[in-house]
Amino acid sequence: GDSVTQMEGPVTLSEEAFLTINCTYTATGYPSLFWYVQYPGEGLQLLLKATKADDKGSNKGFEATYRKETTSFHLEKGSVQVSDSAVYFCALRGSSNTGKLIFGQGTTLQVKP
Amino acid sequence: GAVVSQHPSWVICKSGTSVKIECRSLDFQATTMFWYRQFPKQSLMLMATSNEGSKATYEQGVEKDKFLINHASLTLSTLTVTSAHPEDSSFYICSAKTTSGGALTQYFGPGTRLLVL
Repeated sequence: GDSVTQMEGPVTLSEEAFLTINCTYTATGYPSLFWYVQYPGEGLQLLLKATKADDKGSNKGFEATYRKETTSFHLEKGSVQVSDSAVYFCALRGSSNTGKLIFGQGTTLQVKP
Repeated sequence: GAVVSQHPSWVICKSGTSVKIECRSLDFQATTMFWYRQFPKQSLMLMATSNEGSKATYEQGVEKDKFLINHASLTLSTLTVTSAHPEDSSFYICSAKTTSGGALTQYFGPGTRLLVL
């Protein structure tokens, strides 16, 4: 079945450092890919998405490119801030259009001043 | 943007009692809602798909008689944890599916933390 694998955390960075959180997936057909963020004590929020190969999703300085050849959707940000500290989830939605999301295990990011 | 609420946000109950959690889409109609469970420091696990006016579809391994789902209207789905036990303690999150501008989008509620004593 479909699955998502993320790099294990926690990831600890200093402010203004470069961030990469790896995400790879296994799916049949052409899934849509998402990154969600969960700030402490809050619900999940959609950060960015890409619906087809080579699409780049971007938001709030974060970006990720849908790479079908490597089945990856790595999240990057050039300069992180303390306020970016949160848990980041990579997810996919299969091509069956049921709306069902499959999540990775989540990666905790801690940014220190 | 679209808003999904959950009530209550926190609940503590005694073992053996039942707990109802509500999920509401506040400014849109959702024929489909999803219920997830999140264990500490782990990912969200889909429990079931809630369809308005019909029976919920449960994921493999989820007991439908223990986790009762009712989607009585286009803006409300409820999850009832029946005869709760300490192992049911978890963070329960709902989401609502909608189509906006031709794009399928899912909005998440803030979650309900359940502690069974």
